[in-house]
Amino acid sequence: DAGVIQSPRHEVTEMGQEVTLRCKPISGHDYLFWYRQTMMRGLELLIYFNNNVPIDDSGMPEDRFSAKMPNASFSTLKIQPSEPRDSAVYFCASSSSGQGGVKLFFGSGTQLSVL
Amino acid sequence: KQEVTQIPAALSVPEGENLVLNCSFTDSAIYNLQWFRQDPGKGLTSLLLIQSSQREQTSGRLNASLDKSSGRSTLYIAASQPGDSATYLCAVSNSGNTPLVFGKGTRLSVIA
Repeated sequence: DAGVIQSPRHEVTEMGQEVTLRCKPISGHDYLFWYRQTMMRGLELLIYFNNNVPIDDSGMPEDRFSAKMPNASFSTLKIQPSEPRDSAVYFCASSSSGQGGVKLFFGSGTQLSVL
Repeated sequence: KQEVTQIPAALSVPEGENLVLNCSFTDSAIYNLQWFRQDPGKGLTSLLLIQSSQREQTSGRLNASLDKSSGRSTLYIAASQPGDSATYLCAVSNSGNTPLVFGKGTRLSVIA
């Protein structure tokens, strides 16, 4: 299994531009999570899906952030318009039947820099 | 709201030493606790998972203990090696299907 695949690995953009981050979860996993990691705040949950349905998006900072999961093998996180304070590493993770009883598998992350 | 704290934020030890990383959480009604390792520029890898009914889990040179009543967990690393250098994160879940809440991690450097 190739694991959780994220793209791009690095993204540098200018303030005001639209940014789209992509994630392919592990086949068969029914939960998908988007996290953001910064030095100041650590790892924060943004949103998570179960069977392609968003369950909790309370961690999404503001309306500039949106996430979709059109099918079981693909999810996107979009920021429009982007701002310098959005600079962080964004991780996608997946698991089967929740995180509680089973291990969570992370992608390698997308390093986002907004200038 | 569950909060997870890890102390120290950074630790440097000589090779061969045994060491302990600490994790504390504010809500003791947890479902389980997990320890993760993160290498620079990489994602997180799950190391150990302790269910709320368990007191400890072991994997090789790693041993994680859980004291739910006091809201604490420790990760013990025996005979540390330079390859153990990484950031170690603790995370708790309050139910089987709720997202993990992470600490900020302890950055470990093992010096050869």
